[in-house]
Amino acid sequence: DAKTTQPTSMDCAEGRAANLPCNHSTISGNEYVYWYRQIHSQGPQYIIHGLKNNETNEMASLIITEDRKSSTLILPHATLRDTAVYYCIVRVDYGGSQGNLIFGKGTKLSVKP
Amino acid sequence: EPEVTQTPSHQVTQMGQEVILRCVPISNHLYFYWYRQILGQKVEFLVSFYNNEISEKSEIFDDQFSVERPDGSNFTLKIRSTKLEDSAMYFCASSLSRGLGEQFFGPGTRLTVL
Repeated sequence: DAKTTQPTSMDCAEGRAANLPCNHSTISGNEYVYWYRQIHSQGPQYIIHGLKNNETNEMASLIITEDRKSSTLILPHATLRDTAVYYCIVRVDYGGSQGNLIFGKGTKLSVKP
Repeated sequence: EPEVTQTPSHQVTQMGQEVILRCVPISNHLYFYWYRQILGQKVEFLVSFYNNEISEKSEIFDDQFSVERPDGSNFTLKIRSTKLEDSAMYFCASSLSRGLGEQFFGPGTRLTVL
């Protein structure tokens, strides 16, 4: 089962920042936080991942709390094309990991004009 | 930008028939995966494949399922005798490493079993 808890749905106004929370209170020290999204039954798309430091790339920023029990994905200027289901996934990342992703139900983000 | 491709995009079959879903992973990737998503439900892991053998499989991946990398580019999922409950979107994914980093997903094959 997924080790994360996310709100079922969120709305965001176009052009505003979308802040998507995720709780992962049982995360272990060697587990990373990954974010993927799925736009209308397309294949999931990788967004970003991090261990304990905040991360930023061209798509989003990831803020992880100091105790690592929760994180927030930030889409700085949401567009209509960002409407999707966003999945927060906790995953061990070392050579011995199996690599498969365990998806929860995610957050359905609706960006509105 | 390299991408994972899947064929066909939609497959309709009769219950009890065999189906083969095809995937072409990104060319330099070494790890390959199949996931499925029943309509309205979560994306579920089926199987991972590395070095020409299964490295992990879920409880869903029973004897009716098999995977193969028949040549240097294709990665296939075979369902021997389809059931109504096999109707789902099937996603192939590939990655460069088993651990750190992203998995690249294909667009999926919608399988409908009648």
